[in-house]
Amino acid sequence: GAVVSQHPSWVICKSGTSVKIECRSLDFQATTMFWYRQFPKQSLMLMATSNEGSKATYEQGVEKDKFLINHASLTLSTLTVTSAHPEDSSFYICSARDHDSRNSPLHFGNGTRLTVT
Amino acid sequence: GQNIDQPTEMTATEGAIVQINCTYQTSGFNGLFWYQQHAGEAPTFLSYNVLDGLEEKGRFSSFLSRSKGYSYLLLKELQMKDSASYLCAVSSFSGGYNKLIFGAGTRLAVHP
Repeated sequence: GAVVSQHPSWVICKSGTSVKIECRSLDFQATTMFWYRQFPKQSLMLMATSNEGSKATYEQGVEKDKFLINHASLTLSTLTVTSAHPEDSSFYICSARDHDSRNSPLHFGNGTRLTVT
Repeated sequence: GQNIDQPTEMTATEGAIVQINCTYQTSGFNGLFWYQQHAGEAPTFLSYNVLDGLEEKGRFSSFLSRSKGYSYLLLKELQMKDSASYLCAVSSFSGGYNKLIFGAGTRLAVHP
């Protein structure tokens, strides 16, 4: 159980275009999902907390107008990278807990590798 | 703020034991997780500690000392497939959520 599905696995886009990444909890409901970004040989950096039915909470230094998050249902959160630039090329990973308790581990999607040319 | 430190790289021999240390400073501490991540893949959950002491799970054990802000992951009977990055992550309650903040990770290379 506790499967998180992320789509697409990889995407290549041209500079200036927008890319949408989907994150789904397949066998549980998630009122909260977390979006991380990981540059090569670096750790996961929390970008934002996605909340079902309300605005996302962004970490310091993350541009909310550039990284649009929508959490329209209990099983789906989307991250849209708007007006992408080469420096946005990274590995984006979503995650969620299947129980809303502090000791419940985060389950991660398989990630999306974004390359902006 | 939060600060999580762990060694960047370690090497070990197949069949041996390796200990990966992690020190942290955080507010609203809610527990410490260890994850394994192979290159290009998502992290997978290994262990969770919220109370002081040792948690054992097969070949993997994790230890926590809250007063010292210190944890370690112990891997026994190392196998080649254990070559991966090991991420120490601290859970803290912030802004109404239990957030998981990751350290930079320790890249472990297991050689024959």
